[in-house]
Amino acid sequence: ETGVTQTPRHLVMGMTNKKSLKCEQHLGHNAMYWYKQSAKKPLELMFVYSLEERVENNSVPSRFSPECPNSSHLFLHLHTLQPEDSALYLCASSQSLAGVDNEQFFGPGTRLTVL
Amino acid sequence: EDQVTQSPEALRLQEGESSSLNCSYTVSGLRGLFWYRQDPGKGPEFLFTLYSAGEEKEKERLKATLTKKESFLHITAPKPEDSATYLCAVQAGKAAGNKLTFGGGTRVLVKP
Repeated sequence: ETGVTQTPRHLVMGMTNKKSLKCEQHLGHNAMYWYKQSAKKPLELMFVYSLEERVENNSVPSRFSPECPNSSHLFLHLHTLQPEDSALYLCASSQSLAGVDNEQFFGPGTRLTVL
Repeated sequence: EDQVTQSPEALRLQEGESSSLNCSYTVSGLRGLFWYRQDPGKGPEFLFTLYSAGEEKEKERLKATLTKKESFLHITAPKPEDSATYLCAVQAGKAAGNKLTFGGGTRVLVKP
């Protein structure tokens, strides 16, 4: 595997379900991110982790719960979601949070549909 | 509040017809401006980072330029494989957590 991978690629869930999204980066990076991409809206940052510590929570509802067990893996736990949470959820990673040449590299995303 | 506006929203080109995409931004102390390409159903693919006004970067048929208020992505003699959504993002000097603020993107369709 290379780059940033995400599973599953597609997920359909009911509002009472609990599910998790998984992200893995194979780039040796120290920072990881969750973004939400809704139709007709710009990419929105949700969470930022650096060396497994959460450094940013961009006013995200508590029904989204991130977990970063190590610098290569990032999870997004979902529970009691709403239909408006349907979107493409993207994971990204970067070498660190500071300095130049700190580009974020994205995974392919998980297309989430909440019924 | 940092803001990024991209125009046009959509662009239809004939193969070989050069054009430019605009990214206007308002940010408190620009640390970097980023261009990404996104194909349908995929994550954004990194293209360029620009740091200061006057800077230019090129990759194949793409050239990105930066001024103090906007950036342009020039597509020279485009081919159908250049069809994608192009995203612009800015990073403020004091952005916490390496935060990027994205524009809405420009959807480019290149017809043979």
